[in-house]
Amino acid sequence: DTEVTQTPKHLVMGMTNKKSLKCEQHMGHRAMYWYKQKAKKPPELMFVYSYEKLSINESVPSRFSPECPNSSLLNLHLHALQPEDSALYLCASSQDVGSSETQYFGPGTRLLVL
Amino acid sequence: AQTVTQSQPEMSVQEAETVTLSCTYDTSENNYYLFWYKQPPSRQMILVIRQEAYKQQNATENRFSVNFQKAAKSFSLKISDSQLGDTAMYFCAFMRGANDMRFGAGTRLTVKP
Repeated sequence: DTEVTQTPKHLVMGMTNKKSLKCEQHMGHRAMYWYKQKAKKPPELMFVYSYEKLSINESVPSRFSPECPNSSLLNLHLHALQPEDSALYLCASSQDVGSSETQYFGPGTRLLVL
Repeated sequence: AQTVTQSQPEMSVQEAETVTLSCTYDTSENNYYLFWYKQPPSRQMILVIRQEAYKQQNATENRFSVNFQKAAKSFSLKISDSQLGDTAMYFCAFMRGANDMRFGAGTRLTVKP
């Protein structure tokens, strides 16, 4: 099973709302990632978790707050977002953190901030 | 910094024909990994093929193969016997470490019947 699942598929929120994106994998992978993808653009790395600890934060604004409750789950908490944060948010996982590790992507959550 | 360049924003090919997507990258590193990912319209991104820089032999996965030219820093993807289901955005990606996954801008491929 090489599946990474993400919920919800679509999300519309106002700038004052608080919402969360969820990602789950059951492949026993120990590294999980959040990417942001704007329309017709490549994915941009936001966060990397390795063994449930945040290892990389690519200077992402604090209105995005990641959380890794356990080795299978990765959340992204959203608060006070801006319209320019509207994008496809992709979760990925890999066996471990390292250049040889293939990343497996989820289907993404398409977020619209009004 | 490592950069990945895909010079073909859009391409099209007739069903059953062969198409080659180009990718070049810039790095001073010797050990790294290269990937081609496919992202169909409104569907998730999946790995097509990967290449280890230390391997001279070009990777092959069924109808997909790469032409890896390390000295030229080139990593093209050849799709043989194109199928309608190959229609997608194709991203070339370079990775040296967990936080060093760089994607090219993508090539939108359309397979025409």
